[in-house]
Amino acid sequence: AQTVTQSQPEMSVQEAETVTLSCTYDTSESDYYLFWYKQPPSRQMILVIRQEAYKQQNATENRFSVNFQKAAKSFSLKISDSQLGDAAMYFCAYRSASDNFNKFYFGSGTKLNVKP
Amino acid sequence: DAGVIQSPRHEVTEMGQEVTLRCKPISGHDYLFWYRQTMMRGLELLIYFNNNVPIDDSGMPEDRFSAKMPNASFSTLKIQPSEPRDSAVYFCASSLGTGYTFGSGTRLTVV
Repeated sequence: AQTVTQSQPEMSVQEAETVTLSCTYDTSESDYYLFWYKQPPSRQMILVIRQEAYKQQNATENRFSVNFQKAAKSFSLKISDSQLGDAAMYFCAYRSASDNFNKFYFGSGTKLNVKP
Repeated sequence: DAGVIQSPRHEVTEMGQEVTLRCKPISGHDYLFWYRQTMMRGLELLIYFNNNVPIDDSGMPEDRFSAKMPNASFSTLKIQPSEPRDSAVYFCASSLGTGYTFGSGTRLTVV
């Protein structure tokens, strides 16, 4: 089974600053999808950003962007101009493109603290 | 669309009691997943359905756990009898295509 590793259990950032959350994954496949989900204290899991492995261009959603390094199997999330509302658990997830059943593999999460 | 709806939001029960968690997926989604989240083990996939049919239940921890999806708009996860180590947040998610939409989860506390 694929494994997803988030090596930073917890991180802190000053409001308005930039922070990068790390994620690595292990796979022998060439086509897959990668995701970042945000889980605020409300507990709701919210999709932040998604990347298709066949696309070389890094995905961007407003203040959120990724650095996708396919050869290194790395998928980091950059949050620019951090806001207090960004404080949450962030989960990296992997899904094989050949998986007909849409099974995700999640990392253990990174808790992001935002300091005012 | 109201999203994925889970009930109850919180459940406190005594050890040995039966617990039933409920999920209403997004209309039209053909996959439904049940996850358990704990501090120690993170997000664990318990079981998932495709078009109401259970596909893989290898994540179900014990025979005390069972899940059903009698129709496209409703699923249940039952624990009988419940034990303190079952205390966790249980998420339901549905999908059509490559992304998931999660419900708000049920926090289960077994005392």
